[in-house]
Amino acid sequence: AQKVTQAQTEISVVEKEDVTLDCVYETRDTTYYLFWYKQPPSGELVFLIRRNSFDEQNEISGRYSWNFQKSTSSFNFTITASQVVDSAVYFCALSGGWETSGSRLTFGEGTQLTVNP
Amino acid sequence: EPEVTQTPSHQVTQMGQEVILRCVPISNHLYFYWYRQILGQKVEFLVSFYNNEISEKSEIFDDQFSVERPDGSNFTLKIRSTKLEDSAMYFCASSERDGGNTIYFGEGSWLTVV
Repeated sequence: AQKVTQAQTEISVVEKEDVTLDCVYETRDTTYYLFWYKQPPSGELVFLIRRNSFDEQNEISGRYSWNFQKSTSSFNFTITASQVVDSAVYFCALSGGWETSGSRLTFGEGTQLTVNP
Repeated sequence: EPEVTQTPSHQVTQMGQEVILRCVPISNHLYFYWYRQILGQKVEFLVSFYNNEISEKSEIFDDQFSVERPDGSNFTLKIRSTKLEDSAMYFCASSERDGGNTIYFGEGSWLTVV
């Protein structure tokens, strides 16, 4: 069975601080995919990034960066110079590859990030 | 940018009533999904749908739930006889392919059962 753990339930920072959201996953698949989604107060789920298990390169997109470490089964997300608009719930999610029953996403519990001015 | 659209955005219904939630997936996508999020909890998979049939469903997706693609664009979730515990945000989603392809979500339909 697949499992995603986001141990940080809530994080509160002051604007311009850097913040890292942790994600640890469990899977028996050799091919799998990791995702981060953002859920702002309006409620929609916004796709941020997708990573496959064979690509351990870190990725940077503007103020966002992701650190994928297969050895520790982690896929952490860092926001640099946080802004009030980053306030949201962030979900890490995992899906299987072609070996498994499909691309059903298993979500973590989410981390509520509050960025204070 | 193409997006998944859902209607209604919010529905209040009496316990025991039937509810239909509607979705228009992204047009070139072949895989469709429903997920559920009870207030304050994580997002949970309900069902996936491909080639006009269910490809996978979770233990949550029991006999009171059904899905349908009645025409070339809509994808619906029907809850036959709603219970209080069905109150949740229901997300429709779609992806181009299976096997880890990116899943794009709609804005959700908030269902309140009273």
